[in-house]
Amino acid sequence: DQQVKQNSPSLSVQEGRISILNCDYTNSMFDYFLWYKKYPAEGPTFLISISSIKDKNEDGRFTVFLNKSAKHLSLHIVPSQPGDSAVYFCAARTGNQFYFGTGTSLTVIP
Amino acid sequence: NAGVTQTPKFRVLKTGQSMTLLCAQDMNHEYMYWYRQDPGMGLRLIHYSVGEGTTAKGEVPDGYNVSRLKKQNFLLGLESAAPSQTSVYFCASSYLLVSYEQYFGPGTRLTVT
Repeated sequence: DQQVKQNSPSLSVQEGRISILNCDYTNSMFDYFLWYKKYPAEGPTFLISISSIKDKNEDGRFTVFLNKSAKHLSLHIVPSQPGDSAVYFCAARTGNQFYFGTGTSLTVIP
Repeated sequence: NAGVTQTPKFRVLKTGQSMTLLCAQDMNHEYMYWYRQDPGMGLRLIHYSVGEGTTAKGEVPDGYNVSRLKKQNFLLGLESAAPSQTSVYFCASSYLLVSYEQYFGPGTRLTVT
């Protein structure tokens, strides 16, 4: 059973606008959440993370929000750029194990 | 620094054949992981290691074995390949207690016919 879900397989956004990628989880034992970006034929690269004791973390154009009561996190990219076009995975940690969502393919239209 | 490297990049096996995937990292990371990625499934953890000489099962360990004889290397073995093991395999590594972010290799695309 998928413990981390990304229900939107794809998202298209105009350049300069905000991209919002969503992720839901079911396991209340998750204590750390991460977002990765993946280009075709490459491995994922780390983007941003958040501890379960926080509700927001910012890094430049990227902000992650965590709503523990709703078991929901989101990644905001502002402003979106064509180079942001990639597949984005959310991941959650419990113990030494990580669980990944199925990914959302973001296309930023110039 | 090369980061995380994986060998080979591509491989085609016949059912029942065996092979070993090699992962190497030059960042002195304690933790290493093997994942598989299948369409519509995201990345799933196969096995991981928290240090040289130690390994543990992940979410989908059946049909795979691993070894971590040296800190910088993590090997994934398939003793008798099955078509269900057709996948893209990613290796990753991370620091212990510093950050939970993982550094991934470029992947190995394995096809079992």
